Amino acid sequence: SYELTQPPSVSVSPGQTATITCSGEALPKQYANWYQQKPGQAPALVIYKDTERPSGIPERFSGSSSGTTVTLTISGVQAEDEADYYCQSADSSGPYQVFGGGTKLTVL
Amino acid sequence: QVQLQESGPGLVKPSQTLSLTCTVSGGSISSGNFYWSWLRQPAGKALEWIGRINTSGRTTYNPSLKSRVTISVDRSKNQFSLKLTSVTAADTAVYYCARFSLQLVAGWFDPWGQGTLVTVSS
Repeated sequence: SYELTQPPSVSVSPGQTATITCSGEALPKQYANWYQQKPGQAPALVIYKDTERPSGIPERFSGSSSGTTVTLTISGVQAEDEADYYCQSADSSGPYQVFGGGTKLTVL
Repeated sequence: QVQLQESGPGLVKPSQTLSLTCTVSGGSISSGNFYWSWLRQPAGKALEWIGRINTSGRTTYNPSLKSRVTISVDRSKNQFSLKLTSVTAADTAVYYCARFSLQLVAGWFDPWGQGTLVTVSS
């Protein structure tokens, strides 16, 4: 079955830049999306179609794509950004949606 | 804006059927080119997509759950539902409903319901 691979954890100090990667064989053919999940809350979309930011999401959140890897970048990290982040995409045939294992972002 | 709310029993006995409903408010479930989806998340684990349905009733299920899952839609009540049969402790999770936007090779979940914890135990 298709898999998306994320690092389990990333740590940064406030004000620094956090980068979270997501790798998958079908990513050159399928867009990816990113979700932020804080403890006890439902996930919230922060990036869609690799680079698009929904309304209401701060500009410090950005996305990029290169080959089989997509990246979520959080510039000027704030304490409130501490959360789990999940990437999501589809397998190469399209219909089946897959999530990465999640990355816990710790703000030191 | 559109909001989703899950409802259903929080405790299900092993081998029985888990049944949940998602009520959509703030907009019609029939408007727009959306799919309506179910997802779940066991405690401390990653998200898992269960399946989706459009308002024409077309469904797509996660192959790993397909034999046990049925998703249906009730346009008159602005609701869609999930049934998962023959549950075991491995089905214990927070279950979410979400709207899925599909554009060719892109699809994303937004918004999400708040989630409901379903525990499988005798």
